[in-house]
Amino acid sequence: NAGVTQTPKFQVLKTGQSMTLQCAQDMNHNSMYWYRQDPGMGLRLIYYSASEGTTDKGEVPNGYNVSRLNKREFSLRLESAAPSQTSVYFCASDNGGANSDTQYFGPGTRLTVL
Amino acid sequence: QKEVEQNSGPLSVPEGAIASLNCTYSDRGSQSFFWYRQYSGKSPELIMSIYSNGDKEDGRFTAQLNKASQYVSLLIRDSQPSDSATYLCAVNKGNTGKLIFGQGTTLQVKP
Repeated sequence: NAGVTQTPKFQVLKTGQSMTLQCAQDMNHNSMYWYRQDPGMGLRLIYYSASEGTTDKGEVPNGYNVSRLNKREFSLRLESAAPSQTSVYFCASDNGGANSDTQYFGPGTRLTVL
Repeated sequence: QKEVEQNSGPLSVPEGAIASLNCTYSDRGSQSFFWYRQYSGKSPELIMSIYSNGDKEDGRFTAQLNKASQYVSLLIRDSQPSDSATYLCAVNKGNTGKLIFGQGTTLQVKP
């Protein structure tokens, strides 16, 4: 099993450009998540999808949109990139719910916005 | 006040010593508690989960939870240089799968 995969691994954008980060999981998990990680800030939740067909905002949703394409795939879109969106982005998945166990993380996408 | 707080460190311990990592949280309704380890440039990986008050041991790792005092800790016995990493505390609030992460504590184990 590949677990959680993310593409691309690295990306450099200019201010105002758009891009989509792709995430897929092969563990039949119900819930999927997008986080960003900045130095000294830990992981902050951008958006999540508790189940196929649903998405909800997390702690820092501004400037982002998401699509839960099917049970396996959850994409994150930056419509007009800003330097403040320079970060490492992680996708994660789990079974969801109050007693959710392990969240599995993808390898991350390192994004730089110039 | 942050919802989940950790001392960012670095915490430096000699090889073979016990490393003690602490985390406090603000929401008394929190249900589940997790410790993730993250090596530099890598993604987080779960090392311990704990759901009820008391201690939970797994090899060299012990997680401790005290809901009355709203803290959770991680003890690493016989610390090894390979334990050098950032340790992230995460809390599952309420009835969702959403995790709130602390900022992480960097541990350095010196040979």
